[in-house]
Amino acid sequence: EVRLVESGGGLVQPGGSLRLSCVASGSTFSSYEMTWVRQAPGKGLEWLSYISTSGHVTFYADSVKGRFNISRDNTDNSLSLQMSGLRVEDTGVYFCAGLGYCNGGSCYSLSMWGQGILVTVSS
Amino acid sequence: EIVLTQSPATLSLSPGERATLSCRASPGFSNSLAWFQQRPGQAPRLLIYDTSNRATGIPVRFSGSGSGTDFTLTISSLEPEDSALYYCQQRDSWPPRITFGQGTRLDIK
Repeated sequence: EVRLVESGGGLVQPGGSLRLSCVASGSTFSSYEMTWVRQAPGKGLEWLSYISTSGHVTFYADSVKGRFNISRDNTDNSLSLQMSGLRVEDTGVYFCAGLGYCNGGSCYSLSMWGQGILVTVSS
Repeated sequence: EIVLTQSPATLSLSPGERATLSCRASPGFSNSLAWFQQRPGQAPRLLIYDTSNRATGIPVRFSGSGSGTDFTLTISSLEPEDSALYYCQQRDSWPPRITFGQGTRLDIK
């Protein structure tokens, strides 16, 4: 399995920008579809964004569409989330997670998770 | 867009008892369902994939079942360390949207 480590979180003012990174160990990162998931303080899990193995296909939750951009670089096993126009309600712990346990080429379960990184949006 | 509703919101049981957690999908779907355990301050941990398969290293007391609209996570004999939040999750084939249930808190008293 791949180990994931996020970085780049911190305190940012409303309207500001932040870039999160997720670095994967192991040589099979390029074979995993990847996502970002966040958890607001005391709340449940919220899926934010998806990227295909090649990086050519991306998809976003309505709550972040047009403000967040997901990308990946398979040459250095990294995943990124560029966040702009940040709002107070974007505060939370952000996880990178990968889809695994594939069956016939279809992968439905988030089998690997980073430890999470805290993003706080506040003035 | 599929909505996953988990019940109960909170479950309080004793060690050795059996826990039954529900995840209802609306509308129903044919793809598989996953279950996660999350302890405070930790990342979610995959317990069950493809509705009924235990992930690597998951104890046999955890089992999953269901199809269509109704899915169940069963913990056959509770251990104190099973106190946690539990989430169900599904993924659409296209567009590749992922949905979580709102979670069930399991307290072992």
